[in-house]
Amino acid sequence: QVQLVESGGGVVQPGRSLRLSCAASGFTFNIYGMHWVRQVPGKGLEWVAVISYDGSNKYYGDSVKGRFTISRDNSKNTLSLQMNSLRADDTAVYYCAKAISKGFGEFPFDNWGQGTLVTVSS
Amino acid sequence: AIQLTQSPSSLSASVRDRVTITCRASQGISSALAWYQQKPGKAPKLLIYDASSLESGVPSRFSGSGSGTDFTLTISSLQPEDFATYYCQQFNIYPFTFGPGTKVDIK
Repeated sequence: QVQLVESGGGVVQPGRSLRLSCAASGFTFNIYGMHWVRQVPGKGLEWVAVISYDGSNKYYGDSVKGRFTISRDNSKNTLSLQMNSLRADDTAVYYCAKAISKGFGEFPFDNWGQGTLVTVSS
Repeated sequence: AIQLTQSPSSLSASVRDRVTITCRASQGISSALAWYQQKPGKAPKLLIYDASSLESGVPSRFSGSGSGTDFTLTISSLQPEDFATYYCQQFNIYPFTFGPGTKVDIK
């Protein structure tokens, strides 16, 4: 079965960087777009970024554009999110999620990881 | 970015009640709308995609309808395991956006 396992969360000071990873298994990783979504504890969901199945296309939410970079290593079935210039309002649980359909396009998410908490605080 | 609004923001209902949640988009999104269920401490779960298609394994008491700007999620007979928060999401265009959520709790 599909499994997505995030890692890399923790406490980081404002202005610093952090890199999240998502290990994927149970499906053919290199034919599906992948996303990051975040959620401030007790609040709603915010879409963060997407990367196409082959890594050639990437889109970002306005609040992270220019600071966060999404990437993937299809040889290792791993999705990453490099987060720079972190701010207090980046504090959230970060989920990786798999697109429901293969190939390139806009699709909803049929599988999510369990999330990893990032806390930005001095 | 496309804004999504949901109503109500919360509701109290009893087991076996029929529950309807609405989602409105700030501009037309065709049928590019999904509904997710989220329980405390858990990741969201996809229920409905393409406005009305039931995700595999989701009970048939869940249904979705609508197109353009107005959408509805209906639970025909609320079950104890359905008490949760429900989010709509548009995937018509990036940036994807979510509605603010509707919390369904026990009356």
